[in-house]
Amino acid sequence: SAVISQKPSRDICQRGTSLTIQCQVDSQVTMMFWYRQQPGQSLTLIATANQGSEATYESGFVIDKFPISRPNLTFSTLTVSNMSPEDSSIYLCSVAPELGFEAFFGQGTRLTVV
Amino acid sequence: GQQLNQSPQSMFIQEGEDVSMNCTSSSIFNTWLWYKQDPGEGPVLLIALYKAGELTSNGRLTAQFGITRKDSFLNISASIPSDVGIYFCAGQLNKGGSYIPTFGRGTSLIVHP
Repeated sequence: SAVISQKPSRDICQRGTSLTIQCQVDSQVTMMFWYRQQPGQSLTLIATANQGSEATYESGFVIDKFPISRPNLTFSTLTVSNMSPEDSSIYLCSVAPELGFEAFFGQGTRLTVV
Repeated sequence: GQQLNQSPQSMFIQEGEDVSMNCTSSSIFNTWLWYKQDPGEGPVLLIALYKAGELTSNGRLTAQFGITRKDSFLNISASIPSDVGIYFCAGQLNKGGSYIPTFGRGTSLIVHP
């Protein structure tokens, strides 16, 4: 299994500001994903982070609000832009070492927007 | 798109009891995954199933990949307080460019000592 380090683990932010979340993996992985988990809910996929190209966003999520970078096979960032209280959630990085294999998760970033 | 129905939504049990939860889908998957999420943490993979009919154990946990490929169950035997958490099933199709897991809504487990 991959070891995933996600930073920050939590943050409290002012509305209108932006927060960048980092995801570092200890080995090269094929697929990296970003999820949002609202309180008491399941995991909702935001986007697939593609190495060297633009991320693939799910319905309801747009690049202007959630810009994603993936400069290499071990690192990705998710930015939550122009935050509002509705963005308060846990944001999770997930990786799959190879296509079709199980995905592993970071410990998550608990974001509170005030 | 594919949908997963996970049940029950929550369970309140006594320590020592056995637990069973399941997921059903409107369409087939080629991989079933079971995760546990503790409060304040990310989901941790418990069991991965790759073949229809497969029955796999991990300690007190047992999971099966349904023969129709549209369902899976997870059993926990002799529950203990540290089993408390939210359990998620996830299905993956793994073909046609679709390698992203679809998650169930979760089963919240509370174990009373």
